[in-house]
Amino acid sequence: AQSVSQHNHHVILSEAASLELGCNYSYGGTVNLFWYVQYPGQHLQLLLKYFSGDPLVKGIKGFEAEFIKSKFSFNLRKPSVQWSDTAEYFCAVNAGSSNTGKLIFGQGTTLQVKP
Amino acid sequence: DAGVTQSPTHLIKTRGQQVTLRCSPKSGHDTVSWYQQALGQGPQFIFQYYEEEERQRGNFPDRFSGHQFPNYSSELNVNALLLGDSALYLCASRRRRAGTEAFFGQGTRLTVV
Repeated sequence: AQSVSQHNHHVILSEAASLELGCNYSYGGTVNLFWYVQYPGQHLQLLLKYFSGDPLVKGIKGFEAEFIKSKFSFNLRKPSVQWSDTAEYFCAVNAGSSNTGKLIFGQGTTLQVKP
Repeated sequence: DAGVTQSPTHLIKTRGQQVTLRCSPKSGHDTVSWYQQALGQGPQFIFQYYEEEERQRGNFPDRFSGHQFPNYSSELNVNALLLGDSALYLCASRRRRAGTEAFFGQGTRLTVV
């Protein structure tokens, strides 16, 4: 069965520290990859997405992610976090036909940034 | 331009009862998916609707059913509620063509007592 694994469940960083959140998926075919963020009290918002092309994807608020096909990974990075980045982060995969709407989510990583 | 809207925001039901949750997709979107998010977990796909039919289904029992209306809005129905159905129910909408991402509503928090 397809699955998504996020290795870090709870991350605590100080402001200006660098961030990397791991995401691995299990599916051997074509995938579309996403990172969503959920700020406290708000709905899930798309941070960035990968469909094809350049495996290094840039998203909103200074986030980026790199798709490494050989490692089945799509790790999220940010060079310098801010207190406002405190949120829950979800990696998601849309496997198979890119026209399907089914997203498979990881269990999420809670990021706490200390001012 | 309104995003995805869900109603109600919170709901408390008793075991064995039935519940209906509603979703209006983002303007221009024709496909609606529903997800269940238990506390501390990522969202789990329940099913997807477009052209008023269920097109894909996740690993949920038949107690979970849905409907899509001609205006693309959707309902999620859950019968014979169990305590384990307590969760945040998310609706997501998108345009049904390749290369589009899903937009999520704020969810309905269902508590079964």
